[in-house]
Amino acid sequence: AQKITQTQPGMFVQEKEAVTLDCTYDTSDPSYGLFWYKQPSSGEMIFLIYQGSYDQQNATEGRYSLNFQKARKSANLVISASQLGDSAMYFCAMSVGAALIFGKGTTLSVSS
Amino acid sequence: DSGVTQTPKHLITATGQRVTLRCSPRSGDLSVYWYQQSLDQGLQFLIQYYNGEERAKGNILERFSAQQFPDLHSELNLSSLELGDSALYFCASSDGTGRAPNSPLHFGNGTRLTVT
Repeated sequence: AQKITQTQPGMFVQEKEAVTLDCTYDTSDPSYGLFWYKQPSSGEMIFLIYQGSYDQQNATEGRYSLNFQKARKSANLVISASQLGDSAMYFCAMSVGAALIFGKGTTLSVSS
Repeated sequence: DSGVTQTPKHLITATGQRVTLRCSPRSGDLSVYWYQQSLDQGLQFLIQYYNGEERAKGNILERFSAQQFPDLHSELNLSSLELGDSALYFCASSDGTGRAPNSPLHFGNGTRLTVT
């Protein structure tokens, strides 16, 4: 069965440091997509980054990069140079058929 | 701003009642998705429409129904409401074909439903 697992309920980091948020997935489908979303306390869901299963290179978007290790079925999000505004809930998601399934999320707290 | 518009932002109603949530997708997006977010269940996929046709169903209760209209806006109808239906309901849209998301879903700001 397809599944997304985020094992870190909460992460704490200081401003300007890098942080890695873990995500593992399980699927038998050779074609899939992996996504990361950010949900600040205001509630909206903000798309951050996408990785396709056939993409050879890790995706990057500004300070966000996705560390895609296909054999390990992991898709960790790396945020470089953390900012106070990065404090939020982060969700990993995987395309399953026509929709996305989401992990339980990781709360990231950035302190000054 | 994602370009996806959801109304209303907040809704408070009583058990047994019926409500309608409305969503306007981003300009040009043909796919609309509905998700429910609650503390105990997390983000749950409910249903997807593509260009007016139902494309996929997730964990949607029989008391819930949705449709997508010719102008591509969508409505989610929730009836015989129970306390456990209290949640944040998101609409999302994408420009994908609707068969397998390889382009991001863009979410609206959600409708916060409180059932008392």
